[in-house]
Amino acid sequence: GQNIDQPTEMTATEGAIVQINCTYQTSGFNGLFWYQQHAGEAPTFLSYNVLDGLEEKGRFSSFLSRSKGYSYLLLKELQMKDSASYLCAAVDSNYQLIWGAGTKLIIKP
Amino acid sequence: ETGVTQTPRHLVMGMTNKKSLKCEQHLGHNAMYWYKQSAKKPLELMFVYNFKEQTENNSVPSRFSPECPNSSHLFLHLHTLQPEDSALYLCASSQDQDTGTGFSGANVLTFGAGSRLTVL
Repeated sequence: GQNIDQPTEMTATEGAIVQINCTYQTSGFNGLFWYQQHAGEAPTFLSYNVLDGLEEKGRFSSFLSRSKGYSYLLLKELQMKDSASYLCAAVDSNYQLIWGAGTKLIIKP
Repeated sequence: ETGVTQTPRHLVMGMTNKKSLKCEQHLGHNAMYWYKQSAKKPLELMFVYNFKEQTENNSVPSRFSPECPNSSHLFLHLHTLQPEDSALYLCASSQDQDTGTGFSGANVLTFGAGSRLTVL
């Protein structure tokens, strides 16, 4: 079957760096998305990777290894506003999104 | 209004009630979606409309009935729901391309803030 695994919850300190991992098993692969969702708000797009490697967007970076079925989201210089859930979703061969359950990130002062 | 708006934001209903959730997108997108989000579970795709035609119905119980009158509006009609249907219902839209064998789902979704539904 198709599956996405990501940690349920992580805690980090303001100003630090945190890496949120996501492993996927899908029938075919057409890329991987990361979304951010603050409590009570809409999920918002962060990144899309389809080729191996690291893509950087300001304080956020996303990495993909297709051979390992693995991605991570790297958040640098953490701010309190980064407290949110981070959703990983892989695109399968039918262009269907396979979602993880999300990682709740708690930032402490 | 910009983006994707959903109303109502909160809804409490009894198991015998009939209610509807509304979604409107102001982005000119050609695809709209209903998702169910339950605590600590992955997003569950319920329905997809591309160019106003329903292209996905992921074995959703008939007590949920979608309606897409035009490319900007999407409704979810609710009837005789069960307590386990309590969840956050998210609407989303995207600009999809027809690949010739179907619509590409590898497009960025713009979500609404959701309708929090409680079934008593």
